[in-house]
Amino acid sequence: GIQVEQSPPDLILQEGANSTLRCNFSDSVNNLQWFHQNPWGQLINLFYIPSGTKQNGRLSATTVATERYSLLYISSSQTTDSGVYFCAAHHGGGGNNRKLIWGLGTSLAVNP
Amino acid sequence: NAGVTQTPKFRVLKTGQSMTLLCAQDMNHEYMYWYRQDPGMGLRLIHYSVGEGTTAKGEVPDGYNVSRLKKQNFLLGLESAAPSQTSVYFCASSYSRGLNTEAFFGQGTRLTVV
Repeated sequence: GIQVEQSPPDLILQEGANSTLRCNFSDSVNNLQWFHQNPWGQLINLFYIPSGTKQNGRLSATTVATERYSLLYISSSQTTDSGVYFCAAHHGGGGNNRKLIWGLGTSLAVNP
Repeated sequence: NAGVTQTPKFRVLKTGQSMTLLCAQDMNHEYMYWYRQDPGMGLRLIHYSVGEGTTAKGEVPDGYNVSRLKKQNFLLGLESAAPSQTSVYFCASSYSRGLNTEAFFGQGTRLTVV
């Protein structure tokens, strides 16, 4: 099955800095999602991006499906950006094949 | 529009007790899922449902049962809780047709079995 790898595993930033998180996947995908898990444990949908580029405020994401990777950009980071960022993917079918395969996440700490 | 709602948010059980976690979604999604999240292991699929009245096993189904009597609800049951079931449980839902397969998650249930 598909494998998802994220880098870096940990990241520490000063408030205001920019960063890029990477997600590599081993097979073609028709669902690639980025999530932010905040310090309270909630999983927040950031992007649904099986291909192309999307932007939402200070966050943007790009997926290059042909090269099997996705990038999450965080600009002008804030302390509220702290938490764990996950990417998750699946490559089609229904039911069990629709289950998301998760990377292990990037743990981000933004210091004031 | 509440999205996906899980009940309860926290629970402590004694070994051998039973409980049911409730997941409700108001997006008319066909697919619903139960995952568990453990430290360092990401999320793992327990059971899923592709529609009302249907359920199927995921990758870690042992010790759990599920039911989908109504399209909007997906219940996860623990008949005899064990300490190994201490985890954070997430419910999710998604559409079954078309190109958009985006999954939406509930806020999680933190379960401790002592």
